[in-house]
Amino acid sequence: AQTVTQSQPEMSVQEAETVTLSCTYDTSESDYYLFWYKQPPSRQMILVIRQEAYKQQNATENRFSVNFQKAAKSFSLKISDSQLGDAAMYFCAYQGTYNQGGKLIFGQGTELSVKP
Amino acid sequence: EPEVTQTPSHQVTQMGQEVILRCVPISNHLYFYWYRQILGQKVEFLVSFYNNEISEKSEIFDDQFSVERPDGSNFTLKIRSTKLEDSAMYFCASSALAGASDTQYFGPGTRLTVL
Repeated sequence: AQTVTQSQPEMSVQEAETVTLSCTYDTSESDYYLFWYKQPPSRQMILVIRQEAYKQQNATENRFSVNFQKAAKSFSLKISDSQLGDAAMYFCAYQGTYNQGGKLIFGQGTELSVKP
Repeated sequence: EPEVTQTPSHQVTQMGQEVILRCVPISNHLYFYWYRQILGQKVEFLVSFYNNEISEKSEIFDDQFSVERPDGSNFTLKIRSTKLEDSAMYFCASSALAGASDTQYFGPGTRLTVL
């Protein structure tokens, strides 16, 4: 069974600085998708970024980028120029390509605080 | 921008009672999901639904749970006889395409409290 692990329960960053959130996963599949979702205090799940495993190029979305290391099964999220609004719980998630049910498997989450 | 909506935002019920959580997916989406998040824990998959059938369900989704698309816009999750451990945040999500072909967009969640 696939698993997703986020080993950092909490992280802190100074406003305008850069922070990296870690995520590792375990799978025997060769094709899959990886996601980072943000959950602010409102508890709504907001998609931050998505990565297709068959693409070697790391995905980027404005200040958010990933470091996808397929062989190491690692998928970290880098937030540049951190803003107060980035403070939230961040979840890494895995989705198998061959799973037509579309199930997302989430990690435990990392609580990010941003200091002014 | 289209979004998934959920009602109610907070539901309080007594143990043993039936509850129905409602979701309105994004209008052109065809695939629907329910997830739950017990306070302080990770988000867990419950069920996926397409073409009026369950595509996949987790071990959590036992006989006490059911899903339905009663009309062209709503997608519901029913818990027949609630237990204390059903207290959680329940998220609905939808996607336009099947499985991993498309991103799932989440609603704001319904907080269920079972007393």
